[in-house]
Amino acid sequence: DAGITQSPRHKVTETGTPVTLRCHQTENHRYMYWYRQDPGHGLRLIHYSYGVKDTDKGEVSDGYSVSRSKTEDFLLTLESATSSQTSVYFCAISVTSGGTSTDTQYFGPGTRLTVL
Amino acid sequence: AQKITQTQPGMFVQEKEAVTLDCTYDTSDPSYGLFWYKQPSSGEMIFLIYQGSYDQQNATEGRYSLNFQKARKSANLVISASQLGDSAMYFCAMREGDAGNNRKLIWGLGTSLAVNP
Repeated sequence: DAGITQSPRHKVTETGTPVTLRCHQTENHRYMYWYRQDPGHGLRLIHYSYGVKDTDKGEVSDGYSVSRSKTEDFLLTLESATSSQTSVYFCAISVTSGGTSTDTQYFGPGTRLTVL
Repeated sequence: AQKITQTQPGMFVQEKEAVTLDCTYDTSDPSYGLFWYKQPSSGEMIFLIYQGSYDQQNATEGRYSLNFQKARKSANLVISASQLGDSAMYFCAMREGDAGNNRKLIWGLGTSLAVNP
């Protein structure tokens, strides 16, 4: 258990409304990630963070923004939700062992978002 | 071009038998890492095993082992003595470059494994 929680776990919203998903970790890891998982596409990186206020885009960042004002929290915002953003969203952290020789991503439980 | 290819969309295995899930990768970076994750029907993503490109031996973790063939660019997951609880989706992923500077993963599309009693 890497101490990662996501909230909410399930959400149904309407097209055009803003939505914020929260990822919280308890172990002060530097790197955090947001992914979406869709059938036929596997896991796709939306945004990631390498420290407080340090974020960068992933491969599917359009329509999403992120913020990280504290080490433990990484927020994903859909500014104006669309039906194409219906998906399962996973947060992950990167844990290093053996100096920098090995890093492993551990995942939160996921958030199932439905945009009607 | 796909950097991680999992060619088996679905696999079946009898309980207690061994099964191999295929993963091929494509990179020109001499330093990389390969990961396998399990996703049961409950949805969580569970880390299973890691292989570094410079590791001399194949990685093992309990019933999981990684058949790493560098020249063929393959990193197949072997599950020995399959159990009903092994039924899940399995994902292969790759990190290109050293862990310190680049921690993004490239993911395959997964293989669905069903273990039959």
